[in-house]
Amino acid sequence: DTGVSQDPRHKITKRGQNVTFRCDPISEHNRLYWYRQTLGQGPEFLTYFQNEAQLEKSRLLSDRFSAERPKGSFSTLEIQRTEQGDSAMYLCASSLGRENEKLFFGSGTQLSVL
Amino acid sequence: ELKVEQNPLFLSMQEGKNYTIYCNYSTTSDRLYWYRQDPGKSLESLFVLLSNGAVKQEGRLMASLDTKARLSTLHITAAVHDLSATYFCAVLSRGGGGADGLTFGKGTHLIIQP
Repeated sequence: DTGVSQDPRHKITKRGQNVTFRCDPISEHNRLYWYRQTLGQGPEFLTYFQNEAQLEKSRLLSDRFSAERPKGSFSTLEIQRTEQGDSAMYLCASSLGRENEKLFFGSGTQLSVL
Repeated sequence: ELKVEQNPLFLSMQEGKNYTIYCNYSTTSDRLYWYRQDPGKSLESLFVLLSNGAVKQEGRLMASLDTKARLSTLHITAAVHDLSATYFCAVLSRGGGGADGLTFGKGTHLIIQP
């Protein structure tokens, strides 16, 4: 069990560019979540997958954001036409999908949009 | 809309002292989590509280839940420097798709001085 893995750890991009992040959950976990955290704030829920199905999206997830989990294993989060306001830590979490259980978080991808 | 408020947001205390962090939330929920985050690191799950009157303890930390008051507390006993971190409470908010999106508080930044 290597935990939730995210790649890259840091990403610096220019405004208007597209970026993609990857999350590999704990292998037997069928639920996968994306959160965003800005400095001094708690994480904000973005979206959630049960296996390959994207079941919930926050209103924070504008049409420039898209997430996929094609085979029910790893997931990608893409941001198109990045804006400076997108600068944040993007956290991925996974869980077994059972009641009353913990979410395990990855180390995050720190995005800086210049 | 579910709102989660933590108090205080910043706390500096001396080793050996006791203190309590408070977490209030605005709507009924059946799950409350406490997480710890060290600078530049991801979130570590501390406690999951499921029912009114639930109390859980791990080392010098004890968490409790009062669902009627919509209040959870995280009590620190005889603080030690290693407990310096940011502590978040998070409350389950169920989306239309049944997703388990957590709403986090802003966090309590705890510094424990020798």
